[in-house]
Amino acid sequence: DAGVTQSPTHLIKTRGQQVTLRCSPKSGHDTVSWYQQALGQGPQFIFQYYEEEERQRGNFPDRFSGHQFPNYSSELNVNALLLGDSALYLCASSFWGGNTIYFGEGSWLTVV
Amino acid sequence: GENVEQHPSTLSVQEGDSAVIKCTYSDSASNYFPWYKQELGKRPQLIIDIRSNVGEKKDQRIAVTLNKTAKHFSLHITETQPEDSAVYFCAASKDNGGGADGLTFGKGTHLIIQP
Repeated sequence: DAGVTQSPTHLIKTRGQQVTLRCSPKSGHDTVSWYQQALGQGPQFIFQYYEEEERQRGNFPDRFSGHQFPNYSSELNVNALLLGDSALYLCASSFWGGNTIYFGEGSWLTVV
Repeated sequence: GENVEQHPSTLSVQEGDSAVIKCTYSDSASNYFPWYKQELGKRPQLIIDIRSNVGEKKDQRIAVTLNKTAKHFSLHITETQPEDSAVYFCAASKDNGGGADGLTFGKGTHLIIQP
């Protein structure tokens, strides 16, 4: 039973560029959430997708956008990258209506 | 929105002793409280969770207690072992009638088990 998988694992981008991160949820899960974890901090909720729609959003600017596909996989897009966007981006999956979420290994983004 | 405070930021205990990490939350509507363990460079892993209709939950050496009136919850680890060394995060969320809200995390506790 595959867990939550994310790609790429590491990437380096330049300020002002755009990045796309990808996530496949745990088998049987239909809801995907994205979190940003800065070094030494707890994860912060970015947004949640279910039935290909953004259902909830945390306190992140519109530069952060996402998408969910019919197979429940998801993408996180960040435009106009800032140095402060450097972080570990975690994807988590769950059942819709369920609290329990499972994290992937994350994508380490460094903006230079 | 929800605010979760976690203490202490660093906790050092002797191997075999107990460790207690405490969290408080601000939103009285929150009803789900998980704890995650994160080893260096790894993903957060769920170790135990509790819902607001339960006051205490135990799983082997790990237990969580919840005081809804005071809006605080605690993680208790007994008979600590070297492999318990990690950063522990508490979190809170609530059901919103459809899906559950995103989790609000504390800032984490770095637990160090001294041999």
